Amino acid sequence: AQKITQTQPGMFVQEKEAVTLDCTYDTSDPSYGLFWYKQPSSGEMIFLIYQGSYDQQNATEGRYSLNFQKARKSANLVISASQLGDSAMYFCAMRPISSGSARQLTFGSGTQLTVLP
Amino acid sequence: EADIYQTPRYLVIGTGKKITLECSQTMGHDKMYWYQQDPGMELHLIHYSYGVNSTEKGDLSSESTVSRIRTEHFPLTLESARPSHTSQYLCASSELGGTNEKLFFGSGTQLSVL
Repeated sequence: AQKITQTQPGMFVQEKEAVTLDCTYDTSDPSYGLFWYKQPSSGEMIFLIYQGSYDQQNATEGRYSLNFQKARKSANLVISASQLGDSAMYFCAMRPISSGSARQLTFGSGTQLTVLP
Repeated sequence: EADIYQTPRYLVIGTGKKITLECSQTMGHDKMYWYQQDPGMELHLIHYSYGVNSTEKGDLSSESTVSRIRTEHFPLTLESARPSHTSQYLCASSELGGTNEKLFFGSGTQLSVL
């Protein structure tokens, strides 16, 4: 069984500052993938970044980076230079790689990020 | 930008009505999914399909049904809506294979059953 925990229901950050959104996970699978999605108020979920459990380096995608600490089972999302358009709900998700399918994707409960001008 | 579309965006109906939520994608993806999401909560998989004429139930039990007659179309039907069905329904698709297989989502349908 897999479990994703996002302990911050809401976060505030000043525009242009960096912010870290926490995500911890629990799984018995030896290989897994970790994802972050963004959900603006418009409703659609947007893929942001992916980290494989076997990846040696932390993933980066533009202003997004994933602070992956395997021993602590954490996969925190770091957003640098926050913009007003970053205000949204952010979901952490994971799936076992062995299953080979997004069908096994488990989502956390999300963090509502508000960027202040 | 994802090419996956859901209609209607909002739907308010009375108890007992039959409804169909539409989902279409133009990316040629074989895999499609329906998720249910209550406000401020995580997404739960209710149906998925790996291709035409292939449908399976997800982890969350749902009274809804789905069909996959064409690759691009994956509608969800509720034969008799109830207030407990009030929720947001998100459709998604993905390509086959790849360890970093990511989902492309539609904008969702917010369903309210009175």
